[in-house]
Amino acid sequence: DSGVTQTPKHLITATGQRVTLRCSPRSGDLSVYWYQQSLDQGLQFLIQYYNGEERAKGNILERFSAQQFPDLHSELNLSSLELGDSALYFCASSSVGSRETQYFGPGTRLLVL
Amino acid sequence: LAKTTQPISMDSYEGQEVNITCSHNNIATNDYITWYQQFPSQGPRFIIQGYKTKVTNEVASLFIPADRKSSTLSLPRVSLSDTAVYYCLVGLDTGGFKTIFGAGTRLFVKA
Repeated sequence: DSGVTQTPKHLITATGQRVTLRCSPRSGDLSVYWYQQSLDQGLQFLIQYYNGEERAKGNILERFSAQQFPDLHSELNLSSLELGDSALYFCASSSVGSRETQYFGPGTRLLVL
Repeated sequence: LAKTTQPISMDSYEGQEVNITCSHNNIATNDYITWYQQFPSQGPRFIIQGYKTKVTNEVASLFIPADRKSSTLSLPRVSLSDTAVYYCLVGLDTGGFKTIFGAGTRLFVKA
């Protein structure tokens, strides 16, 4: 158990819909990262937040947005969903430092029908 | 951000030592090298991290030559449960902490 929690574990929705994925980092970790992993694909970095502020942005679509709240939990919002958005979405957290180790949650499996 | 190159896949047998090499020719002075392990449908798990020479923990060893342009993850006496994808990461984007996971190395351990 990494200490990072993600909800829900599974999500099935239809094209055009909007969903919200939630992540709670390890206690004390200020950084939260979001990744997308499609079937048999590598991990694609989406976005990072540090103590409530956006720190880095990767290949995140404009239909996707995220935020980190004062209690440090984070939400990833996916809108106007397409079939190709079906994937595993991982959240990771880390402590302060330029070489911080990332601890990953169990992921949310999203299926868009 | 240093780009990494790893073999796409490797096969091994139980009880053997497995060495996975990662090339990172443009590694920066302040970059560290980190390896993660990922099982199907699970999030990656930190294995080991190092800067130079050799690092060893209860799971693996990491060998880094003097020029730091490559690194080798060594898994002693692998078992079937070591079948996974192994990712090598080097450094962090100087403009922000943007982590780039490559394709990784898919290790198959056979009985």
